[in-house]
Amino acid sequence: SQTIHQWPATLVQPVGSPLSLECTVEGTSNPNLYWYRQAAGRGLQLLFYSVGIGQISSEVPQNLSASRPQDRQFILSSKKLLLSDSGFYLCASLGGLAYEQYFGPGTRLTVT
Amino acid sequence: QKEVEQNSGPLSVPEGAIASLNCTYSDRVSQSFFWYRQYSGKSPELIMSIYSNGDKEDGRFTAQLNKASQYVSLLIRDSQPSDSATYLCAVIRASYDKVIFGPGTSLSVIP
Repeated sequence: SQTIHQWPATLVQPVGSPLSLECTVEGTSNPNLYWYRQAAGRGLQLLFYSVGIGQISSEVPQNLSASRPQDRQFILSSKKLLLSDSGFYLCASLGGLAYEQYFGPGTRLTVT
Repeated sequence: QKEVEQNSGPLSVPEGAIASLNCTYSDRVSQSFFWYRQYSGKSPELIMSIYSNGDKEDGRFTAQLNKASQYVSLLIRDSQPSDSATYLCAVIRASYDKVIFGPGTSLSVIP
């Protein structure tokens, strides 16, 4: 079965600072990978997804970017954080016979 | 019309009762359907997947799928306070790479 690691677990950053969140996956090869954001009390917003190394699809135009330097590594970045970037960031992978999606533990980001 | 819609909450049921969660989807080519449970402050956890019409049972949980009506539901029998969470419905089109999530329904089981 797949295991998804995310770090850090929590992060407090000032407005205008850079961001780098990392996600790694164990137990599978060539997974589809996803970044979601969940604002407080809201649903999941898909930010990026990747079907392979170097292949990134963006769902929402914003000041965030994603990269996939290795098969099982997915990175979410920003050059300058906004207050509106605060939220719960979730990395997910796709697997299983019915295309189940599995989530990592998440990173809670607070931009001050 | 939103791609995946769920009954608005919050939903409150007494302990031991049946909780019924509903979901409709707009894309007829959707192939697989999922229910996730999300506790406050935690990541979503997959509890059921279904891709054929009919019922699928797993312990106290039963998922029901009706592709003709574009409807999927989750029944929780003998509800427990530990079932209190937000339940997310999700669908995927087999040939696509994105899972589409509904907004979620908050369930509260009252002891």
